[in-house]
Amino acid sequence: DAMVIQNPRYQVTQFGKPVTLSCSQTLNHNVMYWYQQKSSQAPKLLFHYYDKDFNNEADTPDNFQSRRPNTSFCFLDIRSPGLGDAAMYLCAIDGGGASGGQETQYFGPGTRLLVL
Amino acid sequence: AQSVTQPDIHITVSEGASLELRCNYSYGATPYLFWYVQSPGQGLQLLLKYFSGDTLVQGIKGFEAEFKRSQSSFNLRKPSVHWSDAAEYFCAVGPPGKLTFGTGTRLTIIP
Repeated sequence: DAMVIQNPRYQVTQFGKPVTLSCSQTLNHNVMYWYQQKSSQAPKLLFHYYDKDFNNEADTPDNFQSRRPNTSFCFLDIRSPGLGDAAMYLCAIDGGGASGGQETQYFGPGTRLLVL
Repeated sequence: AQSVTQPDIHITVSEGASLELRCNYSYGATPYLFWYVQSPGQGLQLLLKYFSGDTLVQGIKGFEAEFKRSQSSFNLRKPSVHWSDAAEYFCAVGPPGKLTFGTGTRLTIIP
């Protein structure tokens, strides 16, 4: 069974039109991550939540925002998508548990964003 | 600062042949090391991980990796590859929540 669910799998938006990507998890683990992966590149961490505590990477553009209304769901909002924001967006969760699991990240299938 | 180098951008092997993918890391303490695999258009799947203990780590799909502190390496191996192993492979290092990924190695399998 999938632990991390991302919807939609493919998203097309227009230049400058706000878009929201969704991630949910079935395990209620504490930490949720958002990564951006451009074509033929490594995933790049945008931000993560530890419970409700939001942690933004220093080089994440202000155009990218996130919301975590509850333990299960986390959203990535792109306020004004540019052509350079076309990428695969990956959500991940930690392994959970007090020990032996939080070090590991488990990824969803990703949402591929196309900006026209 | 932590970093990961995967020196091979693209590797081609014959089905049934052995495989070794290289990963070198830079990290100031005992590293947390991971190998992930990504099929086209998919997310990353964890193959194996090393935190401590036995330096030879077994993973899923018949993969293993060996941690060599003296060489700062964590190479991934498989004795006999299958066509379904064709994918992108990422090595990663870091403490919890701060993974740094290598740029990946694309594996092509030929019949």
